[in-house]
Amino acid sequence: AQKITQTQPGMFVQEKEAVTLDCTYDTSDPSYGLFWYKQPSSGEMIFLIYQGSYDQQNATEGRYSLNFQKARKSANLVISASQLGDSAMYFCAMRGETSNDYKLSFGAGTTVTVRA
Amino acid sequence: NAGVTQTPKFQVLKTGQSMTLQCAQDMNHEYMSWYRQDPGMGLRLIHYSVGAGITDQGEVPNGYNVSRSTTEDFPLRLLSAAPSQTSVYFCASSYLGLAGGNDLTFGAGSRLTVL
Repeated sequence: AQKITQTQPGMFVQEKEAVTLDCTYDTSDPSYGLFWYKQPSSGEMIFLIYQGSYDQQNATEGRYSLNFQKARKSANLVISASQLGDSAMYFCAMRGETSNDYKLSFGAGTTVTVRA
Repeated sequence: NAGVTQTPKFQVLKTGQSMTLQCAQDMNHEYMSWYRQDPGMGLRLIHYSVGAGITDQGEVPNGYNVSRSTTEDFPLRLLSAAPSQTSVYFCASSYLGLAGGNDLTFGAGSRLTVL
């Protein structure tokens, strides 16, 4: 079974500063993928970034980077140079990639509020 | 426009009524799934499917039925609605396979209230 833990229910960050959102996971699958999604107040789910468990380098997508520490089973999202439009809820998710289990499991989410 | 289409967007039901949430995708995705979102609990998987004729239970399947007769459609049925099923429901789909990513494409969500 997979489990995703996001321990920060809410965070405040000053505009133009960086913010790190924590995510830890537990799985018995030797190969897996980790995802981050953004949900603004309008409600849609927006894919941000993906990290494969065997990727040697941390994933980056623009201002988003994933700090992947496999031994610690953590996949923290870093948002650099925060903007007001980054205010949203952020979800960490994971999917096993070697079994026939294609389920994507989500954490409880972290609400980020960017202050001007 | 390619994507996942969910209907209805809003629905109010009385306890005991039945209804179907519709989900259709036009991306030829093998994998389709239904989640419910409740405050403080993230998205919890209800049912999912890896192809036509194949469905399986997720984390919170009780009170819900699904079927997958075509690749495109994956309806979610509430047979006898209960107030505990008040939630926002998301349908999501993706390709299968081990290629990097294969992230889910989500529908816009359906807000269901059961009185």
